[in-house]
Amino acid sequence: AQSVTQLGSHVSVSEGALVLLRCNYSSSVPPYLFWYVQYPNQGLQLLLKYTTGATLVKGINGFEAEFKKSETSFHLTKPSAHMSDAAEYFCAVSEGEDTDKLIFGTGTRLQVFP
Amino acid sequence: NAGVTQTPKFQVLKTGQSMTLQCAQDMNHEYMSWYRQDPGMGLRLIHYSVGAGITDQGEVPNGYNVSRSTTEDFPLRLLSAAPSQTSVYFCASRNHRGGTADTIYFGEGSWLTVV
Repeated sequence: AQSVTQLGSHVSVSEGALVLLRCNYSSSVPPYLFWYVQYPNQGLQLLLKYTTGATLVKGINGFEAEFKKSETSFHLTKPSAHMSDAAEYFCAVSEGEDTDKLIFGTGTRLQVFP
Repeated sequence: NAGVTQTPKFQVLKTGQSMTLQCAQDMNHEYMSWYRQDPGMGLRLIHYSVGAGITDQGEVPNGYNVSRSTTEDFPLRLLSAAPSQTSVYFCASRNHRGGTADTIYFGEGSWLTVV
């Protein structure tokens, strides 16, 4: 069975600093990997996803993530944090297109200080 | 385009009461699902459906019932509410054909408190 581990339930950065949110997964088959963002009192919104092909995936709002099979990781980065990036971020995994189940990590709350 | 619409947004129930959380989508998506979100536990799948007349259990189905009589609607029923069901509930939908590679769309959530 697949699972997702997000290291760090809270991450704080200064505005303009690098954002790095960590995600490690386990899967018995080549995974599909996702990052979602949740703003207060809202539903989740897809930031980016990896299914096949290029391992460096670019998403919305300047975020990107790299699929590293050898490290079973899919860390989310953004070169320069903005105040509007403050939100909760969820990593998720599924075992390819033949499954309907998406497994979420426990989330990382990002705080951005001026 | 309304997307995924959940009602009610907030609800307080007494232990033992029953209620239904409504979910409707106007994107003609075959796949619909319900998640619950609890602090420190992320989102956990309760039930899902890949089309009208088809439902299946997710990770935490106990205490919840679902049905899918139409493509648009996927209600979640709490038969006898318990304090452990205090949570935020999210309905989601996507096309089924592409599996999880297709983007999933979430509703804005329903905050449920059971006292």
